[in-house]
Amino acid sequence: GENVEQHPSTLSVQEGDSAVIKCTYSDSASNYFPWYKQELGKRPQLIIDIRSNVGEKKDQRIAVTLNKTAKHFSLHITETQPEDSAVYFCAAHSGNTPLVFGKGTRLSVIA
Amino acid sequence: NAGVMQNPRHLVRRRGQEARLRCSPMKGHSHVYWYRQLPEEGLKFMVYLQKENIIDESGMPKERFSAEFPKEGPSILRIQQVVRGDSAAYFCASSPTTDNEQFFGPGTRLTVL
Repeated sequence: GENVEQHPSTLSVQEGDSAVIKCTYSDSASNYFPWYKQELGKRPQLIIDIRSNVGEKKDQRIAVTLNKTAKHFSLHITETQPEDSAVYFCAAHSGNTPLVFGKGTRLSVIA
Repeated sequence: NAGVMQNPRHLVRRRGQEARLRCSPMKGHSHVYWYRQLPEEGLKFMVYLQKENIIDESGMPKERFSAEFPKEGPSILRIQQVVRGDSAAYFCASSPTTDNEQFFGPGTRLTVL
């Protein structure tokens, strides 16, 4: 089955700097890659997703890139702000299988 | 359109009791997923259901845990004879199809004394 690895597990950046979180997946059939943000004590919420027919997607300060050949995808957050502090999860999905999540990255943005 | 609803939000049980967690998916969503999250850890898939059918229960312990999604009413995750190790946050999510965004509920935090 699918296996998703996520790095780093923790990340601290200065406010205004960029943050990059990387994930790899094992199943070449995976075709949907969402990223979720979970603030302390709250539910995970989708922030951006990408499908296998595109290589990059951007939404304001957030972008995701996908390299199908290497089977990895990354989340990029530019001009980080304190409210970006949270745990971020990547996930991969193919066909009728459930989403498989990475173990999460705890991002701390230091003001 | 109300989001995914879960109740109760907090549940305290003594060892050996039963825990029943409820999840009402978003309107129009027929796919429901249950996840368990331990403190400081990721989301672990438990079970995937469509109306009246269990599609994938590969992540659910074979004993004491069961799930259902009846034709009418919410999806229910049942944990019988709870043990301390069952203490966790249990999230459900719903989607209109399998390859769409999953919307998460607020979670049920189960504490076993």
